[in-house]
Amino acid sequence: DADVTQTPRNRITKTGKRIMLECSQTKGHDRMYWYRQDPGLGLRLIYYSFDVKDINKGEISDGYSVSRQAQAKFSLSLESAIPNQTALYFCATSDSGGTYEQYFGPGTRLTVT
Amino acid sequence: AQSVAQPEDQVNVAEGNPLTVKCTYSVSGNPYLFWYVQYPNRGLQVLLKYITGDNLVKGSYGFEAEFNKSQTSFHLKKPSALVSDSALYFCAVRDMGSTGRRALTFGSGTRLQVQP
Repeated sequence: DADVTQTPRNRITKTGKRIMLECSQTKGHDRMYWYRQDPGLGLRLIYYSFDVKDINKGEISDGYSVSRQAQAKFSLSLESAIPNQTALYFCATSDSGGTYEQYFGPGTRLTVT
Repeated sequence: AQSVAQPEDQVNVAEGNPLTVKCTYSVSGNPYLFWYVQYPNRGLQVLLKYITGDNLVKGSYGFEAEFNKSQTSFHLKKPSALVSDSALYFCAVRDMGSTGRRALTFGSGTRLQVQP
């Protein structure tokens, strides 16, 4: 089984709809992250959480919210989806000690029409 | 602040030839440096990392990278490219001396195309 899983893997939704992307991990890591990937822009950090009660905005948090339901679960919500949120979304985890190496999920491809 | 630059959107190389994918970084202290690879329809996986020690770092699939502190570079190299190396490559950095809550910063990515 994969260490970092994301659901759904693909989603098409309409403008204005609320949508939640979910991430679960079995690595026992306390830090979790949400990124979006757009062609030519690399990975941009949306939100990150260093602990269940420690949530921080990344560089592009507007239009997104997150919930850290447990150490192993970190959800990303789009309250009212818009077309320019069409992207590939990745969840990642890392351990609190050591090197900050991140482990990525397989991604969720989101299309907002 | 920490930042990383990958100056090439795409690198093309013939199979069997050496390849280089460039990365430069900026940190206020010493860096942790990573190369990640993304194959089509997959998440990112780490190829290699520099934490401390030898400047030449060896990683998966025959890749290596050289940490050059004076030039603030961490270029990815492989002596002989394979078609299966075709993928998207990301360089990432974290300022080792940084306190507070900070994640890795990723470059914009370089697409490597290896022609048969």
